Amino acid sequence: DIVMTQSPDSLAVSLGERATINCKSSQSLLLSDNNKNYLAWYQQKPGQPPKLLFYWASTRESGVPDRFSGAGSGADFTLTISSLQAEDVAFYFCQQYYPGPPSTFGQGTRLEV
Amino acid sequence: QAQLVQSGAELKKPGASVKVSCKASRYTFTDYAVHWVRQAPGQRLEWMGWIVPGNGNTVYSQNFQDRVTLTTDTSASTAYMELNNLRSDDTAVYYCGRGVGLHWLDCWGQGTQVTVSS
Repeated sequence: DIVMTQSPDSLAVSLGERATINCKSSQSLLLSDNNKNYLAWYQQKPGQPPKLLFYWASTRESGVPDRFSGAGSGADFTLTISSLQAEDVAFYFCQQYYPGPPSTFGQGTRLEV
Repeated sequence: QAQLVQSGAELKKPGASVKVSCKASRYTFTDYAVHWVRQAPGQRLEWMGWIVPGNGNTVYSQNFQDRVTLTTDTSASTAYMELNNLRSDDTAVYYCGRGVGLHWLDCWGQGTQVTVSS
């Protein structure tokens, strides 16, 4: 199985400052057939289900504020919040969906103010 | 906007089975896969499997291969996850999610708490 490792486990950022979360996979998530990275990012607030932020590593889901950005390729990816807002306090985690199950998730990063 | 509504919390004894339902609305049920994912306390999300309602095809994680069964009732736009021979470490919140292809999940149910305790 592909192992997803996020860093850091926990992150405290001041309001208005930049937050960056890393996600590393144990093998490349880039499929040469279509040049796509099979990675998604989610946000989860306490007591709520996850909410999709990005797919194909950098395609923003409809309705996600543009202060959020996803980047990276191969086995190294980042989620960046350019200017942290209070409502961004949550857990964030990555998911790989490379062809051939199982899909696997990172352990999550707790983002605090 | 698509919606998935799951059945309520369950308390089960070790060795028992649990069946969680996931009712879809506001989209064509047979056009998307349904994934099942669980989140145990302090653990990362764990993918259990998916089912394609349009043709009934299923794929299961090896970790649950022998204990989980995914089904759908297309007439009711409802997916089901049954987990057998429950153990204490099956205590978790179980989520269903709408899969775009067999890829990411763009809509999640609210979660169902399953507690396994004697």
